[in-house]
Amino acid sequence: ETGVTQSPTHLIKTRGQQVTLRCSSQSGHNTVSWYQQALGQGPQFIFQYYREEENGRGNFPPRFSGLQFPNYSSELNVNALELDDSALYLCASSLYGSGGPWHFFGPGTRLTVL
Amino acid sequence: DQQVKQNSPSLSVQEGRISILNCDYTNSMFDYFLWYKKYPAEGPTFLISISSIKDKNEDGRFTVFLNKSAKHLSLHIVPSQPGDSAVYFCAASAAGGTSYGKLTFGQGTILTVHP
Repeated sequence: ETGVTQSPTHLIKTRGQQVTLRCSSQSGHNTVSWYQQALGQGPQFIFQYYREEENGRGNFPPRFSGLQFPNYSSELNVNALELDDSALYLCASSLYGSGGPWHFFGPGTRLTVL
Repeated sequence: DQQVKQNSPSLSVQEGRISILNCDYTNSMFDYFLWYKKYPAEGPTFLISISSIKDKNEDGRFTVFLNKSAKHLSLHIVPSQPGDSAVYFCAASAAGGTSYGKLTFGQGTILTVHP
């Protein structure tokens, strides 16, 4: 069984730039969610994808967008980066219809915006 | 609007003793609760969960208690081990149709277990 993987592990960007983060779901899972974890805080839900469509969104602006591919891998794109976007970005995979909300997380991508 | 709260930022416990981590929630729609453990430079690792139809769930050294009337849950670790030192997050979810969507997390509690 392959766990959730994310790339890159670290990234440094400047304000105004765009970034793409990538995630491969755990094998057998069909749903992927993205979370932002600021320093000293708990993860905050950005959005979830199921069957390649957005299936719920948190309180994040439209410059945060995502994709899910047929193999259930996913991308998180952030446009017009702001300093406050500096955070750990976590991808989580789960199985829709499993009867519970068990999310399994990847190691995260640490994004620093200068 | 913090719907899930962990009011203790940190907890220090002696090896072999019990660790009790607490979590409060405000949203009555939450019907599933989870605990995650997080080490530095790693993603959160699922520990244990409980459905709102239960008041207790055990898995080895870990037990989660749910008090729905008080909107409170707790994680008990007995006996505590130095390897348990990590940040612990409480999370909650509400069923939407036939499946669950987002997790709402608390701020986390740093547990330190001293040898």
